[in-house]
This record gives sequence, structure tokens and C-alpha cells, in this order.
Amino acid sequence: EVQLLESGGALVQPGGSLRLSCAASGFTFSSYAMSWVRQAPGKGLEWVSAISSSGVNTYYTDSVKGRFTISRDNSKNTLYLQMNSLRTEDTAVYYCAKPVFQPGSIGYWGQGTLVSVSS
Amino acid sequence: QSALTQPRSVSGSPGQSVTISCTGTSSDVGGYNYVSWYQQHPDKAPQLTIYDVSKRPSGVPDRFSGSKSDNTASLTISGLQAEDEADYYCCSYAGNYTYVFGTGTKVTVL
Repeated sequence: EVQLLESGGALVQPGGSLRLSCAASGFTFSSYAMSWVRQAPGKGLEWVSAISSSGVNTYYTDSVKGRFTISRDNSKNTLYLQMNSLRTEDTAVYYCAKPVFQPGSIGYWGQGTLVSVSS
Repeated sequence: QSALTQPRSVSGSPGQSVTISCTGTSSDVGGYNYVSWYQQHPDKAPQLTIYDVSKRPSGVPDRFSGSKSDNTASLTISGLQAEDEADYYCCSYAGNYTYVFGTGTKVTVL
């Protein structure tokens, strides 16, 4: 059974930093590209970032480029999102996501971790 | 990447059918057969309802069906039930491991 467990969410001041983690199990982690998706309070879903299975290639939505860094440790089956220069508009529940097949539709989600950016 | 366009809300009586549209471009919906739909109840994580345009995961009732024509995908819920009341989001693969989500549709069962 695929399981994705996010952690690391917290209340942080504007300009601060945070690192999110996503522990994966139930599948061959190193074979899949992975994504982070976020949802601001009362708002829709927004794809944030993705990383190839090897970790060589990374992709970001424009609003986080230069501030967020996605990475992975395939030996630990863990996905990361380093978030710097946080803004109030980054406040959201952040989900780790896996496609059903590679490549393909996102099919699996974690339970999410809440990041609140406020002074 | 612009969000895919969905109607803000749709509604129907129990037993009726409702269809939600999801309009994108040739760079996303029209370019790949990797459109998915998610059902989301309040304060819950999204749940996969349809993937790869028209495939249903195990456990999803066959009342849910998906299709695509050119740059527009659709989700149809037949035989609407009270538990179907939720927010629904479409999502399309957009190349290079990237995705774009729809604006979301609130389904109300009257």
C-alpha cells in the first residue's frame, strides 16, 4: 500500500525558512518522479514543484522559483521541500504527491502538513 | 501555467446526473491523456476519482466517469448521491513532470 507521510509544517514569520519532509513507503520510491502540491485556506489546489526519479531534474511554479528547493534521498525514501524567504501567501497545506504510473496522473497524496506564515 | 477552467458550482437532485467541465490548452489537457479528477471533502486530502482521462481506481463507484475532447475534459456523476457533495478538481499533466490544476467545482446535492 502506497503511503506518503508529510512532516515539518509550522508557524513561521515572513522571511523565515522551513523544510518539509515526505516519507514514502509501499512502492519503489527511486522509480517515480514526485511532486509537492499546496492548498491555501479556502482555495484550490496548486502544483508547486516536482523532481525526477533520480533527482537530477527539478521544476517549480513561477511564484516559488528562487525561494523553494525540492530534493530527495532515494536511500531514505524521502522527499524534501526547502522553503526560504517565506511570504504570507505561502500559507497552505502542503501535500506530497505521487503519480499512478510514470509518467502520468497524480494518484496518491499524503495527509498534508500545514505551513502558516504570519508575524 | 494558467489554471484549468472549471465551473464554480454545479448542482443536482439525488439520482440525477451532473457534468463538470475542465478546459485547458493544447499544452496540457489537449496534449496528454493524463487528466485526473479528485474529490475533496472539507478538511480532507483530495481523493483520486478518475485518472488517465477515464480510468477509475478500485473502490470508486462506476457512477463516476471521465472523458476528454480536444482541450476540454469532463467528469460525469450519474445517479447523484448525498455523499457526492464535495469539491472536485481536475488536473492535467503538462510535460516535464509538471502539472496544472483546475479552479475547482463545488457539487451540491439538492
